[in-house]
Amino acid sequence: DTGVSQDPRHKITKRGQNVTFRCDPISEHNRLYWYRQTLGQGPEFLTYFQNEAQLEKSRLLSDRFSAERPKGSFSTLEIQRTEQGDSAMYLCASSLEAEGAFFGQGTRLTVV
Amino acid sequence: RKEVEQDPGPFNVPEGATVAFNCTYSNSASQSFFWYRQDCRKEPKLLMSVYSSGNEDGRFTAQLNRASQYISLLIRDSKLSDSATYLCVVNRRQGSARQLTFGSGTQLTVLP
Repeated sequence: DTGVSQDPRHKITKRGQNVTFRCDPISEHNRLYWYRQTLGQGPEFLTYFQNEAQLEKSRLLSDRFSAERPKGSFSTLEIQRTEQGDSAMYLCASSLEAEGAFFGQGTRLTVV
Repeated sequence: RKEVEQDPGPFNVPEGATVAFNCTYSNSASQSFFWYRQDCRKEPKLLMSVYSSGNEDGRFTAQLNRASQYISLLIRDSKLSDSATYLCVVNRRQGSARQLTFGSGTQLTVLP
């Protein structure tokens, strides 16, 4: 499968725990995006990488959130000290230049 | 005001009907435009790019009016399988950064 891959697909965690999600983009895509989506809403932008450089971060991304793309290939999104409000679908997408982005199937996070 | 606004619907139409969705965007620096569809509890999937001259892909026609900052999607001869949420997406450039901004989506149900 050469699409965008995310792991895990589902994560249930207790409030206060740290979680890390992984995204493997389409191999030749230099752009990588993280989004968060809650029921009934469109995806909300979190952060954007061009190769290994994190070029933009949303104000939604509090200091508990951090993302990396160390070698310009896969990316990780970490949430520290999770809160119930962090429960959402976390979506990763990748693209080439000005093309539309292709999404992975997402990681559904539930904080209990 | 949201950067990308869509009528949330729902639109309930009979099979074979023609249906149109509209979208407005507020940032005149927006450079490229897309329509995505999202099925329930699935990731968004790229439906088509939107070009200034208008473009067509089978039963789907997309149009862009930069002066009015308005995007549309027309679906002709709608099928049951067209039932989904349609997301309007705007790609804004800020320096070297890119951000894909999503509308909240318009829900379509095609009825037999």
